[in-house]
Formats: sequence, C-alpha cells, structure tokens
Amino acid sequence: GIQVEQSPPDLILQEGANSTLRCNFSDSVNNLQWFHQNPWGQLINLFYIPSGTKQNGRLSATTVATERYSLLYISSSQTTDSGVYFCAVGGYNYGQNFVFGPGTRLSVLP
Amino acid sequence: SQTIHQWPATLVQPVGSPLSLECTVEGTSNPNLYWYRQAAGRGLQLLFYSVGIGQISSEVPQNLSASRPQDRQFILSSKKLLLSDSGFYLCAWTGTSSYNEQFFGPGTRLTVL
Repeated sequence: GIQVEQSPPDLILQEGANSTLRCNFSDSVNNLQWFHQNPWGQLINLFYIPSGTKQNGRLSATTVATERYSLLYISSSQTTDSGVYFCAVGGYNYGQNFVFGPGTRLSVLP
Repeated sequence: SQTIHQWPATLVQPVGSPLSLECTVEGTSNPNLYWYRQAAGRGLQLLFYSVGIGQISSEVPQNLSASRPQDRQFILSSKKLLLSDSGFYLCAWTGTSSYNEQFFGPGTRLTVL
C-alpha cells in the first residue's frame, strides 16, 4: 500500500518562531489533508490540498503532487499551535482508503 | 452544516466484556464512514470503512467488527475485548463526490483493564 512519512518527528520552538513540516508519500494521490490534533484528541482540519498552495492566517500549505510531497508552514508560532500534526493521503489506486502519516509532535514554548 | 457525534466519550471495560461504540452523522446523505484507532502516542490506523448501508470493508484483521444499520449510523463492536483493544477510537465521514475531505468526530477513549 501507499507509504506516508512525516518529518521531523518532534519539533520544539520558541513562541514567535517559524517552522516547516514535511509529508512524503510513495504513490500518486488525489486527496491530501493536514490535521492538527489538539491535547484533547480532537482532529482539526487545516487544509485539503491534493495539489497547489493554500493559506489560512499564519498557516499555509503546498503540495507538489508530481514530486510526492507536501509542506505545512507555520509562521509566528503560538503556544496554542502545540500538538500533533498529521498528513493523510488517499490515492487513485486505493478506493476510499486514507493513510495517515506518523505525525509531527510540535511543542511551542512561551 | 454537517456534524458528527460519537458516544460514549470515555469507556472503561474489563477484558472479555463486549463493546459497542456508536457514530452518527447529521446534515448529509449517503456519506462514506470510517473507524480509526489511535494507540497512545501513535498515529491513526484505519479499521473499517463503509460506502453504504450494510457495506463494510475491513482493513485490519482483529476481534472487532463494524456495522452500518442506517445511512448515517456506524457502529463498532466486539464480543470479547482484549487488553490490546485499548485506545482512542475516531469516527470520520466524507462525501461521495471527487472532493472527499474527511471530517472527524470527537472520539471515544477506551481503556480495557
């Protein structure tokens, strides 16, 4: 099946710093999402981005489908950005299945 | 707007007891429905998905089963829980068009003792 990798696995930042999270996948995809899991476990949708670039406030994301990767940018980080960031993909060859990456755990220190 | 509910929110069960977790979606018709499990400190593992009433696909062999008795209801069950069934269970839905963004419920935290 499709393989999804995320890097870095852990990231510690001072408040106000910028960061880039990466998601690599092993096959063509027609669905890619970024989620933030908050300390209570809720998965919050950040971006639906199978290709191209999107921005929402301090967050932006870029997916280069032909090169099989996606990037999530967090600027001017805040303590509320702490949590785990997941990338999830769905592929043309995989029906309705979605595969999640292992996540990046972000800690933003005050 | 669409909303997704899960209950119970938390559950503590003894080994060998049965399990029934429920997920319902409001505000949409004929959704695709998913059950995921997340072990502590780990990623999400897809357990089951359903594209319609009575249609269940299993991704991981285990002692769990799923059913979809109604269009917007998805149930996760077990006849006898194992310690390894402990975890955070998440239900999700997507539409059935080519734009199929997933949306998650609040989850059920299950502890098997």
